[in-house]
Amino acid sequence: DTGVSQDPRHKITKRGQNVTFRCDPISEHNRLYWYRQTLGQGPEFLTYFQNEAQLEKSRLLSDRFSAERPKGSFSTLEIQRTEQGDSAMYLCASSLARSGALPYNEQFFGPGTRLTVL
Amino acid sequence: GQQVMQIPQYQHVQEGEDFTTYCNSSTTLSNIQWYKQRPGGHPVFLIQLVKSGEVKKQKRLTFQFGEAKKNSSLHITATQTTDVGTYFCAATSGTYKYIFGTGTRLKVLA
Repeated sequence: DTGVSQDPRHKITKRGQNVTFRCDPISEHNRLYWYRQTLGQGPEFLTYFQNEAQLEKSRLLSDRFSAERPKGSFSTLEIQRTEQGDSAMYLCASSLARSGALPYNEQFFGPGTRLTVL
Repeated sequence: GQQVMQIPQYQHVQEGEDFTTYCNSSTTLSNIQWYKQRPGGHPVFLIQLVKSGEVKKQKRLTFQFGEAKKNSSLHITATQTTDVGTYFCAATSGTYKYIFGTGTRLKVLA
């Protein structure tokens, strides 16, 4: 499968614990997005990367959330001191931005990581 | 901050009826994308609109971008049971940060 993959698919944790999720984008894609989705809502933007550079981060995100994309390939999203309100589906998406072409490109979503904080 | 409103929230139609969902923004949009999410699945890209007044068709689906680039619509002609899911618009305004609408959940009754 050459699509976007995410690991783990499900995570159950206790309040106060730290969790880390991984996203492997489609190999040649240079943009990578993280979203959070709760039941009945649309995906909520968290952050995005162009190669290894984190270009924008949602102001809604507290300092407990951090994301990295160290080599411009896979990315990790860490949530420290989890709270029950962090329970959601965390989606990763990747896209390919080509220089000289249209700057907006379709996003390919992974299956998501469902986080449950007890 | 930028918000994208989407209506209606739910739509139940009889198979064969038409369906339309609308996306509205108070700010001028750079581009708008439409996604479909099946129950238990992840969003899947349908189309992208960039130009003012743009209209694109995909078989029974027609997508429009408003002249002022502040609204968009998705119209499905003669719905089928395979059209069931939630349809989201996602828009940018000057950056590559996408704001998703709240979605329209479509149920098609056979």
